[in-house]
Amino acid sequence: AQSVTQLDSQVPVFEEAPVELRCNYSSSVSVYLFWYVQYPNQGLQLLLKYLSGSTLVESINGFEAEFNKSQTSFHLRKPSVHISDTAEYFCAVRTNAGGTSYGKLTFGQGTILTVHP
Amino acid sequence: NAGVTQTPKFQVLKTGQSMTLQCAQDMNHEYMSWYRQDPGMGLRLIHYSVGAGITDQGEVPNGYNVSRSTTEDFPLRLLSAAPSQTSVYFCASRGGGNQPQHFGDGTRLSIL
Repeated sequence: AQSVTQLDSQVPVFEEAPVELRCNYSSSVSVYLFWYVQYPNQGLQLLLKYLSGSTLVESINGFEAEFNKSQTSFHLRKPSVHISDTAEYFCAVRTNAGGTSYGKLTFGQGTILTVHP
Repeated sequence: NAGVTQTPKFQVLKTGQSMTLQCAQDMNHEYMSWYRQDPGMGLRLIHYSVGAGITDQGEVPNGYNVSRSTTEDFPLRLLSAAPSQTSVYFCASRGGGNQPQHFGDGTRLSIL
C-alpha cells in the first residue's frame, strides 16, 4: 500500500518570501508523483508532475519540486510567492502500474498556503 | 474543451433520500474515478473504473454505487443519504500510461 504525508497543514508567509511545502511518501514499488493546486471553491488543477528522468520538475508559474528517492520526498518550493498563490496544495502519488492495472492515486491531507501582503 | 463535467454543482438532500451525481468526460479516457474531499483528509477514493463495464471499490465505498455503461459517463449513486456523506465530490479521468488525472469542478453535497 502507498501513503502520502504532507507535514504542514497550514503555511502562512508574506508576499515575495520563499516557501517550501513538504511531502513525503511511502510505496513498495516505483511511483509517479504529482502536486495539485485547489483555489477556493474550485476543482483541482495539476501543478506539476514527476514521471521519470530529471528529478527537478518545474511549473509555468514558478513552482518547482524535487524528487528525492532516498528520502522518499517530493517537496514543493517557490523562491518568491504572490498573493495569488494563496490556495490549498495537494501532493499525490500513483504506482507505476503496468498493463490494465488502475494505478490508484493517493493524496496527502493538503497544505493551505496563505500569502499575506 | 469541456474536459470533465460534473452535475449538479450544489445539492441539498434529506437523510434517507437517494440521488445520482453525474460525471461525463469527452477525452475518451479509459480511467475514471470518484473522490470525496473532507477538511483535513485530502481526497479519498470512493470507486473507480478502468473501462466501460468494469468498476471496483476504492477506499471509502460504503453507501455508494457506480456503473460504467459507456466510456464517457460514470455516475455515482447515493442509495440512502446520511449526514456523514456531506462532502465535496470530485470526478476525475485520465488516459493510459503515465497520464495525470483531470478533475471536474466538484459537487457540493449537504445531507440534512
